[in-house]
Formats: sequence, C-alpha cells, structure tokens
Amino acid sequence: NAGVTQTPKFQVLKTGQSMTLQCAQDMNHEYMSWYRQDPGMGLRLIHYSVGAGITDQGEVPNGYNVSRSTTEDFPLRLLSAAPSQTSVYFCASSYGVMNTEAFFGQGTRLTVV
Amino acid sequence: AQKVTQAQTEISVVEKEDVTLDCVYETRDTTYYLFWYKQPPSGELVFLIRRNSFDEQNEISGRYSWNFQKSTSSFNFTITASQVVDSAVYFCALSEATGGTSYGKLTFGQGTILTVHP
Repeated sequence: NAGVTQTPKFQVLKTGQSMTLQCAQDMNHEYMSWYRQDPGMGLRLIHYSVGAGITDQGEVPNGYNVSRSTTEDFPLRLLSAAPSQTSVYFCASSYGVMNTEAFFGQGTRLTVV
Repeated sequence: AQKVTQAQTEISVVEKEDVTLDCVYETRDTTYYLFWYKQPPSGELVFLIRRNSFDEQNEISGRYSWNFQKSTSSFNFTITASQVVDSAVYFCALSEATGGTSYGKLTFGQGTILTVHP
C-alpha cells in the first residue's frame, strides 16, 4: 500500500529553471493538495484539487501551477524557480465528503540557488 | 479568515514529565475540523487525531489526550509520562467545512518543537 508518493525527494535548481514535482496517490482520494513548509511558519497551502479537472489556489499560489488530469496524480510545476521557493514541499490527499484526515507524502526538499 | 496559533515555539522536558501543547484557532464557520499531526525528525507527517466542531468530548489514546474547548477556541494536546520518542514537531491544523465539506484544505499552526531529554 503506497499511499501518497512524491518524487523527487531532493532537488537543487538554479534560479530561473523550471521543474515539476510529482505526486501520486493510490487510495482513490478525491481531494489532493500541495503545501510548502518553511521554518517557523508551519505548512501553507499552495494549490488544491477537489477532483480530476478541478483545481484552485491556496494561500501562496504565486510561481506555481497545477493540473489534475487523473484522480491519482497531482503534479506541481515551478515555472521559473526563485530562491524564495526554497522549501520542503508536501503533497496530501484525503477522502471527499467524509472530511477525513489528510495523508501526506514524504516531502520534497527543494533548494533554489 | 481562519487562523491557528501555537504560541509555544519550543518546549523541552525531561523524560516522564507531562507536557501540554497549546493550540488556539480562529474561524467564522460553525462547522470545522481540528487536527493534530506529528513530524518526527525523519520528516514525515503523522496524523494523530481529528475532532469536529460538534464533538467537544475530550479524548484519550494511551499517553495522549486532547482537550477541545469551543468557549476558548482551544484544542490542546497533552502527553503524559513523555518519552524520548515523543521528540518531534507537533502541528495543530484547522479545516473549515463550508456547506459541510472541507475540500481537504488545512490551515496549520506554526508548530511546536518538543524535545524530551532522557
């Protein structure tokens, strides 16, 4: 039972480069979301999705794009990486109307130099 | 807008001491969910408990207990007889449920770093 799988676990980018953080879940969850974790600030919501084809912005969406073409996958794209995007990124998924807890991936530690 | 405050940035205790982690929240919704997550040094986020706004019963699970008080908008977490393995960052989180559905969106507190010394 894989749960929520994020790849890669570590990444170093140069300023201006683009990349995609991958997230996949095998629990048939409706809801998926991306968070970033910065020291002293907890986790903040970047984007979320309530189902395939439906996405919306969270608290800190600037510089990131998402799409959800399937129930299983929810990739996060950094369009032009900036040092301010150095962070640990977590993907999460949860069931829909049951309002259950979110299951988190292992995280991706991203450094932008 | 919703907000979660964990005023204790760091707590240090000696093994077997009891410790309480505070969580205060703000929301305009009458229906919402509160959570506690643990982040051990390995970095993953581990779910501990969920409580909905209509259930003010306190809960005990082994050495862990939670005290939910709507009157003070608090959802505090107590570890009894702490152990070194309890050392971690603990997050309190809130999910508003507009129309009864939370959409999986969580607002986290800043986290409390708990260190338990042997």
